[in-house]
Amino acid sequence: DQQVKQNSPSLSVQEGRISILNCDYTNSMFDYFLWYKKYPAEGPTFLISISSIKDKNEDGRFTVFLNKSAKHLSLHIVPSQPGDSAVYFCAASRNTGNQFYFGTGTSLTVIP
Amino acid sequence: EAQVTQNPRYLITVTGKKLTVTCSQNMNHEYMSWYRQDPGLGLRQIYYSMNVEVTDKGDVPEGYKVSRKEKRNFPLILESPSPNQTSLYFCASSLSRGLGQPQHFGDGTRLSIL
Repeated sequence: DQQVKQNSPSLSVQEGRISILNCDYTNSMFDYFLWYKKYPAEGPTFLISISSIKDKNEDGRFTVFLNKSAKHLSLHIVPSQPGDSAVYFCAASRNTGNQFYFGTGTSLTVIP
Repeated sequence: EAQVTQNPRYLITVTGKKLTVTCSQNMNHEYMSWYRQDPGLGLRQIYYSMNVEVTDKGDVPEGYKVSRKEKRNFPLILESPSPNQTSLYFCASSLSRGLGQPQHFGDGTRLSIL
């Protein structure tokens, strides 16, 4: 049973525009969320995270928003650049647990 | 350079032939983990280790074994591989299990079991 879901397998955006990647989760006990970026033939690399006590975290062009009542988080990339083209995974964990749960990934293509 | 190293990167083998995928990290990380990535299923955690001699099952442990005899190494063992274990495998490590500790991933091992 997939506890973290990314319902959009792919997304295409023009360079300079905003990219919005979405993630939904089912377990209300999750209290930490992370986004990872993955290029082909490489492992995922950490991008940005957010604790459940916050609703927004920003790092440069990347902002993550958390809506706990909707069990939904989103990653905004502004402005999008061709180098942002990659697969993005969201992940969740519980403070009292030792496991991480990943979504299925969204493949972002930024068109020059 | 801080890194997680997996070997081999690619392996084609046959059903039932025992294999080991090695994972080593040079960051003195306590927490290590194995994942498999399959189309439509994302990354699923196989096993994880909180520290030396402490391992536990993730979501999909069936058919796999692990050991953590040294802090830096966390090998994944397939005693009797089967075709449904054909997948892309990632090893990851983090300083601790604590929240806010992002995992560092290796570059992956693509296993094909015929």
